Amino acid sequence: EVQLLESGGGLVQPGGSLRLSCAASGFTFSSYAMSWVRQAPGKGLEWVSAISGSGGSTYYADSVKGRFTISRDNSKNTLYLQMNSLRAEDTAVYYCAKSRLAALSRASTSLDYWGQGTLVTVSS
Amino acid sequence: QSALTQPASVSGSPGQSITISCTGTSSDVGGYNYVSWYQQHPGKAPKLMIYDVSNRPSGVSNRFSGSKSGNTASLTISGLQAEDEADYYCSSYTSSPWVLFGGGTKLTVL
Repeated sequence: EVQLLESGGGLVQPGGSLRLSCAASGFTFSSYAMSWVRQAPGKGLEWVSAISGSGGSTYYADSVKGRFTISRDNSKNTLYLQMNSLRAEDTAVYYCAKSRLAALSRASTSLDYWGQGTLVTVSS
Repeated sequence: QSALTQPASVSGSPGQSITISCTGTSSDVGGYNYVSWYQQHPGKAPKLMIYDVSNRPSGVSNRFSGSKSGNTASLTISGLQAEDEADYYCSSYTSSPWVLFGGGTKLTVL
């Protein structure tokens, strides 16, 4: 059974940093691209970042480019999101999600398994 | 880049069929056959219902179907059931930034 378990969320002041983790199990982690998707309270889904199965390719939404860094440790079956220079508008539930494919291709934009999410609140 | 356009809400009675639209541009929905649909119940994680415009993942009811015409993709739910009441989101590949989501549609089963 595929399981994705996010952790690392919490309350942080504007300008602060936070690192999210997503522990994966039930599938060959290194064989699939992974994404982070966020959802602000009462709002819709917003794709944040994606990384290929090998970790060699990454993509970012314009809203987080230069502030967030996605990475993965395939030996630990874990996905990360380092978030710096946090802003109030980054407040959201952050989900990690598994792509159907390994490479960051057009077809791998469909996300077939999602974690339950971790809440990040940016406030003073 | 702006989100894909979905109606804010749709409704239907049990047993009926409903269709949710998702409108983009030739740079996303209209340019590629990589549209996905997700179902999200309150407080829960999204669930993939349709991928690559019209394909259903294993385990998803065949009451759910997807299609596309020009810059608009559609999700149709036939034989509406109470458990179908949820928020639905479309997404599409786009060359930049990579994935674009719709604003979401709240489905109410009357």
